[in-house]
Amino acid sequence: DGGITQSPKYLFRKEGQNVTLSCEQNLNHDAMYWYRQDPGQGLRLIYYSQIVNDFQKGDIAEGYSVSREKKESFPLTVTSAQKNPTAFYLCASAVGGGTGNTIYFGEGSWLTVV
Amino acid sequence: GESVGLHLPTLSVQEGDNSIINCAYSNSASDYFIWYKQESGKGPQFIIDIRSNMDKRQGQRVTVLLNKTVKHLSLQIAATQPGDSAVYFCAENIGSNYKLTFGKGTLLTVNP
Repeated sequence: DGGITQSPKYLFRKEGQNVTLSCEQNLNHDAMYWYRQDPGQGLRLIYYSQIVNDFQKGDIAEGYSVSREKKESFPLTVTSAQKNPTAFYLCASAVGGGTGNTIYFGEGSWLTVV
Repeated sequence: GESVGLHLPTLSVQEGDNSIINCAYSNSASDYFIWYKQESGKGPQFIIDIRSNMDKRQGQRVTVLLNKTVKHLSLQIAATQPGDSAVYFCAENIGSNYKLTFGKGTLLTVNP
């Protein structure tokens, strides 16, 4: 099946720990994104990558890091510097940038700090 | 600054009725708009999109209307079904910008 796979679906983190969320896509999309969603809120952009080995900060990048070593993979690390990491994290991909290129989403990962 | 907002945070309709979900945007440079449906605990699903050179676009049971004069976008769902219950987001994109800006969403509840 083609699509975007996020793992794990649920993750618990102790304060002070770093955790990494996985995102893999087999759609051959160039662009990939990470969004954060808080309960009852819209999506806020953390990081995005237009092409392999390149990525840019979104609106709320502080406390997060990413890498894009392969076209199909865009892992997100939530570092201990992120003071309020409990949220629903969504990975997405698109054919490319520009008008008319729809962004498609994975099923999300729930991160809870305990 | 850029913003995408919704007029109604919640909408409750009877099964079989038509639903209209509204969205206002503030950036006149936005040229591509998308409606997404998000069910509880899942990722957003693409419903329909429209470019700024169009006023209306129809899909299966859904129609998106774009009024650039007042910077308003709406999603119409015909013969609403219980399976349509979800949060609906509008999102906007500008030119070659890779980023989508999302509104906060409208919760649609369909009563049987």
